[in-house]
Amino acid sequence: GQQLNQSPQSMFIQEGEDVSMNCTSSSIFNTWLWYKQEPGEGPVLLIALYKAGELTSNGRLTAQFGITRKDSFLNISASIPSDVGIYFCAALLGAQKLVFGQGTRLTINP
Amino acid sequence: GAVVSQHPSRVICKSGTSVKIECRSLDFQATTMFWYRQFPKQSLMLMATSNEGSKATYEQGVEKDKFLINHASLTLSTLTVTSAHPEDSSFYICSAREAGITNSPLHFGNGTRLTVT
Repeated sequence: GQQLNQSPQSMFIQEGEDVSMNCTSSSIFNTWLWYKQEPGEGPVLLIALYKAGELTSNGRLTAQFGITRKDSFLNISASIPSDVGIYFCAALLGAQKLVFGQGTRLTINP
Repeated sequence: GAVVSQHPSRVICKSGTSVKIECRSLDFQATTMFWYRQFPKQSLMLMATSNEGSKATYEQGVEKDKFLINHASLTLSTLTVTSAHPEDSSFYICSAREAGITNSPLHFGNGTRLTVT
């Protein structure tokens, strides 16, 4: 089936550092999304990307839809404690279904 | 913004009993809703696509007789875990997209933590 390879699986950083994570696939997708999930809650949409090459920001978050349509990255600048959580990339399969990456668990040392 | 409400947030049941989980779109209509399962420290895996007024579409390996899905209205889908067993213990999450809106993103509920004892 369709798979997204997300890396890194986990990150341990100091507060104030920048963070970068990415997702790759062997398949082409037309929509890439980035979600954040906190313990015991559902994922919350951070950024949606609809066009190859698109670069979109949401506050300190920036994500790009790779030009080959097979990858995407998410950057978080100047991390703060509330950035802790699990970040998932997701891509739209067909018109409706989402396939998710394995997640990147972010831990921040104050 | 669009809100998806899931109920209950936590449920503990005995092995062999059935549990119903509700997923409601609070301020929009959703012709399609999706049910995911997430095991600890793992990603979300799509179980089934719930279609209003018609049968759900199940992903490969998901037993339709065990995970009954009903999507009776444009704002409500239910997932019933029948004859639950401890291996069904998991975090179940629903999502929905606003009908008729191009590129409308998927909104997720807050999940239901099911523990089968």
